Parts: sequence; C-alpha cells; structure tokens
Amino acid sequence: KAGVTQTPRYLIKTRGQQVTLSCSPISGHRSVSWYQQTPGQGLQFLFEYFSETQRNKGNFPGRFSGRQFSNSRSEMNVSTLELGDSALYLCASSFTSGVDTQYFGPGTRLTVL
Amino acid sequence: QQQVKQSPQSLIVQKGGISIINCAYENTAFDYFPWYQQFPGKGPALLIAIRPDVSEKKEGRFTISFNKSAKQFSLHIMDSQPGDSATYFCAASHTGNQFYFGTGTSLTVIP
Repeated sequence: KAGVTQTPRYLIKTRGQQVTLSCSPISGHRSVSWYQQTPGQGLQFLFEYFSETQRNKGNFPGRFSGRQFSNSRSEMNVSTLELGDSALYLCASSFTSGVDTQYFGPGTRLTVL
Repeated sequence: QQQVKQSPQSLIVQKGGISIINCAYENTAFDYFPWYQQFPGKGPALLIAIRPDVSEKKEGRFTISFNKSAKQFSLHIMDSQPGDSATYFCAASHTGNQFYFGTGTSLTVIP
C-alpha cells in the first residue's frame, strides 16, 4: 500500500502571501490530521478531518484552514503568511476518527521570507 | 502549556546499551500513549503504543513502561544500535485523533 503523500515537499513564500498544501492519505483511510512541527514548539495539532468534516481543531489562528474532499484527500491553507509560519507541516492519516494509529507523510517544508 | 513533558532533550548511548526516554502528563483523560521515531527528512513513524490498562508493553527491542498513578511513561530501547539514532517523540491522546506530543529526544548511538 502506498503511504501518505504530501505535495509539494518544499515551498518558499513571502510574508503576506497565502499557501495551499496537499495531502493524500493511505488508501482506505478516512481521517486526515495536520500538524505543524517547529524546533521550538515541536509537533502541534492543527486540525483533523473525517468524512469531509472537521472533527477537532487545535489552538491556531483562523488564518489556518483546511478541507477534505470526498476521496479523503485534504488540503491545508494558510493565508497572510507570517515569518513564524515557517515550519514543517505534517499530514497524518488513520482509518477512523477515534483514537487510532496515525501514519505520517514526509511533510511539506514551508519557508516564509 | 505543554500537555506532555519529555526528557531528556538529547541522549548519547554506546552501541549495545539501553536508551531510556521519559514522558509525563497531567491530563488523566489521556488513554492512548504512542511513541514515534523520526529520521531527518521523514515524517514520524509509529514505534509502539500503550493504553493505561497495562503497565508494560514490549515489541522486539522496544519496551514501554507505564505508571498510571505517577502519570508517567517511558520508552526503553534495549541493545541500542547506530541505526536507532533518530528523534523520538512521546504522545498522548484522549479525543479523536488529537494527539499531544512531547518536545522530542535526539538519540545518538555511538558505535
């Protein structure tokens, strides 16, 4: 089975721009979660989608949003980028929305200049 | 507020030695405690996980010890190998798939 894929792998943007990241979960997985990983804060939960509905949301500003499509693929959008948004953005998929094993993708490295 | 506290931040162990990483939590509602291993340029990969109804779980060279009363859990890597050199994260969850991660431990195993 193919693993979780994320595109693009690397991205460079400037302050004020917006960005969209994509995640394709493992086939058959319906839950997709997003995390931000930085050296200072570690891994922080952004949100989780299951069956096209946001089920959980972390403590991030409204500039961070996401959505999930009927094929379980998910996108994450960050508007009005700030320097502090530079991070590795990780997507994880799991079969269910309950407490379940999460499988992570390789991440998208976002650099904001 | 860090929901899961992890120590040490870095660890150097000789090949064949035992690596021990500790985590502590406050929220007694947590009911699933996984450990993840992350290599540079890769996403975290699940190593082993435990639920609070058992005190220990072993898979190969990896063992989780869980102390519910102390709200602590630890990862033991027996017979540590250079290939184990990576960053290790503990995590905890109680609601859906919202996981709270520790800040990570960078493990270096010296040949």
